[in-house]
Amino acid sequence: DSGVTQTPKHLITATGQRVTLRCSPRSGDLSVYWYQQSLDQGLQFLIQYYNGEERAKGNILERFSAQQFPDLHSELNLSSLELGDSALYFCASSVEGVAGVGGTDTQYFGPGTRLTVL
Amino acid sequence: TQLLEQSPQFLSIQEGENLTVYCNSSSVFSSLQWYRQEPGEGPVLLVTVVTGGEVKKLKRLTFQFGDARKDSSLHITAAQPGDTGLYLCAGVPGTYKYIFGTGTRLKVLA
Repeated sequence: DSGVTQTPKHLITATGQRVTLRCSPRSGDLSVYWYQQSLDQGLQFLIQYYNGEERAKGNILERFSAQQFPDLHSELNLSSLELGDSALYFCASSVEGVAGVGGTDTQYFGPGTRLTVL
Repeated sequence: TQLLEQSPQFLSIQEGENLTVYCNSSSVFSSLQWYRQEPGEGPVLLVTVVTGGEVKKLKRLTFQFGDARKDSSLHITAAQPGDTGLYLCAGVPGTYKYIFGTGTRLKVLA
C-alpha cells in the first residue's frame, strides 16, 4: 500500500459524459501528479500540482482539467468523453514535487482508476 | 518529442536465467528512473540514476545510466517468478515533465 488513495476504482460511462476522478496523496506529500495509461500509448504524464498550484503540464487534452484543493487532495475532470479516453488513470504524490530531479524525491503511485467509455 | 524506447517489449524466461532490459533515447535526461508495475497496481519506483555512467545495485538487479545520459539498462541475475511484471523506465528532461518508456513485460516461469 503506497498510501495514495484513488476513487473510484472502476468507472463505466458513455461517450459525451463527464466524470471526476479523485486522489488523496500520502500524508505529508505536497505534490500530486496525474497519469494516463493505455495499451497503445503507455504511461503518459498529464499534469502536476504542488501545494495547490499547477507546476507542470504534459499531454493533457483541453477536455481534461484538474485542480488541487487546500487539503491537498486532487481531482481530475474528464469531459466530452470519447472511446479513446478509456484507460487507467493514476495519481502519484511526492513530498517536494521534484520527483526524479536529483534523485531524492520519490513519486508514490495510487492503485489507479479504470475508466471505460462505452 | 522526447521518446524512451524500451527493448525487448516482451520477455519470457525460465527461473534462474539472466536478462537485460534496455531503455534508449536520442535526448539527454537529467535523471532516469526504473519502475516495476504489477497487474492492478500502480508503478513502484526501483531506482533513480542521476550521474552519467552511474551503476546501482538492488539485490539481483543492476541498473546503469549511460555516459551520455541518453540510455539506461536493467540487468536481472538469476530471475525468479517474483520478478514478473511490467518494467518501465522514466526520464526527467529537467523541466518537471516525466517521460515514460514503452515498457518491458517480463514473465519468469518456475
